[in-house]
Amino acid sequence: QVQLVQSGAGVKKPGASVKVSCKASGFTFTTYFMHWVRQAPGQGLEWMGIINPSSGGTTYAQKFQGRVTLTRDTSTSTVYMDLSSLTSDDTALYYCARAASYSDSAFDHWGQGTLVTVSS
Amino acid sequence: QSALTQPPSVSGSPGQSVTISCTGTSSDVGNYNRVSWYQQPPGTAPKLIIYEVSNRPSGVPDRFSGSKSGNTASLTISGLQAEDEADYYCSSYTTSSTSLYVFGTATKVTVL
Repeated sequence: QVQLVQSGAGVKKPGASVKVSCKASGFTFTTYFMHWVRQAPGQGLEWMGIINPSSGGTTYAQKFQGRVTLTRDTSTSTVYMDLSSLTSDDTALYYCARAASYSDSAFDHWGQGTLVTVSS
Repeated sequence: QSALTQPPSVSGSPGQSVTISCTGTSSDVGNYNRVSWYQQPPGTAPKLIIYEVSNRPSGVPDRFSGSKSGNTASLTISGLQAEDEADYYCSSYTTSSTSLYVFGTATKVTVL
């Protein structure tokens, strides 16, 4: 079955960077685009970016341009989200989500989420 | 790109129907049938329940239905059940210069 397993929670200091991983299984990794979405405590969902695991091509929300980098490792079926220059506003639950095979605008499988806390 | 607008909360008794609206613009909801809906119970990841305005993924009960008129999409839950209590989000593809996708502001559904 489709699974997206993310790395564990972490605490980072302001100004630092964080790298969250999302390991895929149960499907052909290079066939499905992968999204990253975040959710601040008690807040709504926010789309961050998308990566094509086949080509490595990416598109980012303008809000995160210059601070976020999405990469992938096809040998381990893992996508990564790297966010730099962290501030307290980046404290959030970060999700990876797969684009559905039947609709590229729908996210049909989600990781369990990775809590990133930014605190001095 | 501002978030799509949803009512903060709706409520209903078991068996009743509730409808959640999702208002966007001509850059997203109004001109594209690429609207999805997600259900998020507390402490869990979102779950896709509607895609492309009105389609249900396999396994989603037919109590959930979607529609769209102009710049507003809607999710209707018929025959409300206690397990439907959750936060619900709409999302849409957008041609905004700032993002490819935009989510709604979330609606808390309470089963009385």
